[in-house]
Amino acid sequence: QKEVEQNSGPLSVPEGAIASLNCTYSDRGSQSFFWYRQYSGKSPELIMFIYSNGDKEDGRFTAQLNKASQYVSLLIRDSQPSDSATYLCAVHNQGGKLIFGQGTELSVKP
Amino acid sequence: AAGVIQSPRHLIKEKRETATLKCYPIPRHDTVYWYQQGPGQDPQFLISFYEKMQSDKGSIPDRFSAQQFSDYHSELNMSSLELGDSALYFCASSLSGGGSYNEQFFGPGTRLTVL
Repeated sequence: QKEVEQNSGPLSVPEGAIASLNCTYSDRGSQSFFWYRQYSGKSPELIMFIYSNGDKEDGRFTAQLNKASQYVSLLIRDSQPSDSATYLCAVHNQGGKLIFGQGTELSVKP
Repeated sequence: AAGVIQSPRHLIKEKRETATLKCYPIPRHDTVYWYQQGPGQDPQFLISFYEKMQSDKGSIPDRFSAQQFSDYHSELNMSSLELGDSALYFCASSLSGGGSYNEQFFGPGTRLTVL
């Protein structure tokens, strides 16, 4: 079992809809969680980070964290075709490194 | 804003050759991480440095070595290259030793192809 699990997708949503991306992690001691967006052949781009239980909103993006359930999610409102990419969930390891999930491919259809 | 710089962006080598990848962190960032991403894979942590000292080590082959210099730039040295080393190599940087609440910002990557 991977330390960070994501549905690989692809997840397809129509333009303007809400895209919901989910991630679970195994290390209960994990403290910080990150969502990166990666276009094919490009580097991961940091979208959101969250440390506390609950919701954190930034523009069209909302990150949700439930440490009791070891679950973190990313909601993208008013999805645009330019949001089509792979979304990587990452958990900050105690040693400093990021442990990534396998990524969820999102496709937003016009 | 200044970002992480990596060079070269593309590199083609033959088996058993050596390669050196360079990373220049965001100004004032003191921690550098190296990740390897194979085709269709998620990034895998290789090694990290904080204040020029190795701070963590992941699944880095013994054929690879790395260091961080006084100006905080880092180099990843890869010897006896194998076909399986073909991948994207990312460098990321953060502030203050990469504590739990420090975000990592990724460079554009070096695409290494081993023939």
